[in-house]
Amino acid sequence: EVQLVESGGGLVQPGGSLRLSCAASGFMFSSYWMSWVRQVPGKGLEWVANIKQNGSETSYMDSVKGRFTISRDNAKNSLYLQMNSLRAEDTAVYFCARGGVVLTGWGQGTLVTV
Amino acid sequence: EIVLTQSPGTLSLSPGERATLSCRASQSVSSNYLAWYQQKPGQAPRLLIYGASSRATGIPDSFSGSGSGTDFTLTISRLEPEDFAVYYCQQYGSSPLTFGGGTKVEIK
Repeated sequence: EVQLVESGGGLVQPGGSLRLSCAASGFMFSSYWMSWVRQVPGKGLEWVANIKQNGSETSYMDSVKGRFTISRDNAKNSLYLQMNSLRAEDTAVYFCARGGVVLTGWGQGTLVTV
Repeated sequence: EIVLTQSPGTLSLSPGERATLSCRASQSVSSNYLAWYQQKPGQAPRLLIYGASSRATGIPDSFSGSGSGTDFTLTISRLEPEDFAVYYCQQYGSSPLTFGGGTKVEIK
């Protein structure tokens, strides 16, 4: 069974930084693209970033380019999102998801409040 | 960026009824790369349909997807109590990936 567990969310001041982590289990993590998707509570879904299996390719939504960095550690079955220069509009629940385009498994999310 | 517009915003139906949800794209979705997700309150989304019409693993055949180009439809043939939720479409034919605003299917 696919299990994705996010951590690292919390309250941060505008301009601050946070690093989100996602621990994966139940599947061969190194074989999958991975993504981050966010959702303002009560609102819709918004794709944030994705990363190729070996980390050699990444993509970002325009509003986070240059501020957020997605990375992974296949030895630790872990996905990360380094968020710098945070803004109020980054406030959301951040989900880790398996897949780069079709998202076949999701974590429960971690709340980031700026 | 492709904008996806879902309608209606809310669908009020009774268990056993048929639900028809629409997703319209601002431009043609390449190769019909359109997915549908279900989200229940307090839960993560779950993949239902990909490639416009292919059911994901474990999804009952009461869920079906259709459409091409700019117009797509998710149909739930007979609503079960657990089907009342919010449904999102998502296109992955071009970057950035985008989601529709969602359709809430509520109990009438």
